[in-house]
Amino acid sequence: RKEVEQDPGPFNVPEGATVAFNCTYSNSASQSFFWYRQDCRKEPKLLMSVYSSGNEDGRFTAQLNRASQYISLLIRDSKLSDSATYLCVVVGYSTLTFGKGTMLLVSP
Amino acid sequence: DTAVSQTPKYLVTQMGNDKSIKCEQNLGHDTMYWYKQDSKKFLKIMFSYNNKELIINETVPNRFSPKSPDKAHLNLHINSLELGDSAVYFCASSQVAYQETQYFGPGTRLLVL
Repeated sequence: RKEVEQDPGPFNVPEGATVAFNCTYSNSASQSFFWYRQDCRKEPKLLMSVYSSGNEDGRFTAQLNRASQYISLLIRDSKLSDSATYLCVVVGYSTLTFGKGTMLLVSP
Repeated sequence: DTAVSQTPKYLVTQMGNDKSIKCEQNLGHDTMYWYKQDSKKFLKIMFSYNNKELIINETVPNRFSPKSPDKAHLNLHINSLELGDSAVYFCASSQVAYQETQYFGPGTRLLVL
């Protein structure tokens, strides 16, 4: 299994849809997890951290499943402006690995 | 008052040349990083510096050398540029190494001809 894996997509969804992405990781000792968003030709920006108990920020919900070694991102009521690439980040003791990203395209 | 800035934004150069990319952060962070994002959009960490000490050095060619004159700056020097070095290079910073939010610069688009 690769260190960090994501489905590259693209996920094509209509406005208002709910969409979910997963990110699997191979190192069971991984400590911290994040979701970043990267718009075309822009730098990555933090979307949200992923806590063990799960966390929600408006339309976005992130969850961690340590037993199955994956994190997830759920986006409700998709907006056109949500179109971007979503990168998961897995942090170990002295390692940091970005996934290759999942592209989301929200259409009118 | 950009948090993390990089110069230049675009860099076009010939194979074999030596070039530098500068990075500055005004966030007071202790750790700075350099990433390479290739044509397939894969973002890979190259280096990070914590309080002017190199704390991680991924398997990048030794033609690449990070230089940190102070905590707010981490420059990237590249010797003998090759075609495969063409990519977008991002600088980033965080308060604590790895465990906290990273703030990225706008990127430097390097094209080696």
